[in-house]
Amino acid sequence: SQQGEEDPQALSIQEGENATMNCSYKTSINNLQWYRQNSGRGLVHLILIRSNEREKHSGRLRVTLDTSKKSSSLLITASRAADTASYFCATGLNQAGTALIFGKGTTLSVSS
Amino acid sequence: GAVVSQHPSWVICKSGTSVKIECRSLDFQATTMFWYRQFPKQSLMLMATSNEGSKATYEQGVEKDKFLINHASLTLSTLTVTSAHPEDSSFYICSARRSGRVTGELFFGEGSRLTVL
Repeated sequence: SQQGEEDPQALSIQEGENATMNCSYKTSINNLQWYRQNSGRGLVHLILIRSNEREKHSGRLRVTLDTSKKSSSLLITASRAADTASYFCATGLNQAGTALIFGKGTTLSVSS
Repeated sequence: GAVVSQHPSWVICKSGTSVKIECRSLDFQATTMFWYRQFPKQSLMLMATSNEGSKATYEQGVEKDKFLINHASLTLSTLTVTSAHPEDSSFYICSARRSGRVTGELFFGEGSRLTVL
């Protein structure tokens, strides 16, 4: 089963612009993670934010988490053509050893 | 970094045959591995949780006799699609978490694209 929704489903921007993707989820979580997937490839972990954190940065990535609204956002600053990919949020539940549940994803296209 | 290798990366088979996909953690031990399925332009759907030395836990709606999972060692899990049919054509992705880590980051294989003719 899927945990939630990302929006937008698709986003097209120019190089240098910022890209913001949002994710909502339904249940209580231990952490929320963002992954990137290039077409036809596996997933690459980008960043993890724990349920007791509100904001986290990693390079050009900024993630926020609002547990009261059950939502998260991923901001990619100064985007590059190489950032073109699908981005998924995934939630880790409070139960040990459980899998991640993925959202529907946002497809980002960055034009040069 | 942790590397998960998945093989084969793509396979084409005839309807009725069985296909085995291997998932290996190359530089870490993984007590638990997860198998996902992804249809074109869609998200990953969890199929089952593979536990080393015990039976896999399947998600609702996933036929365990259709998708056989074996996790014989701390570095290898296999998914066998039995008597494959065209509707089984999909992108199958495995992932693993380091042993001892109960939550947190998953490491993904590159996926296996199955096409059933």
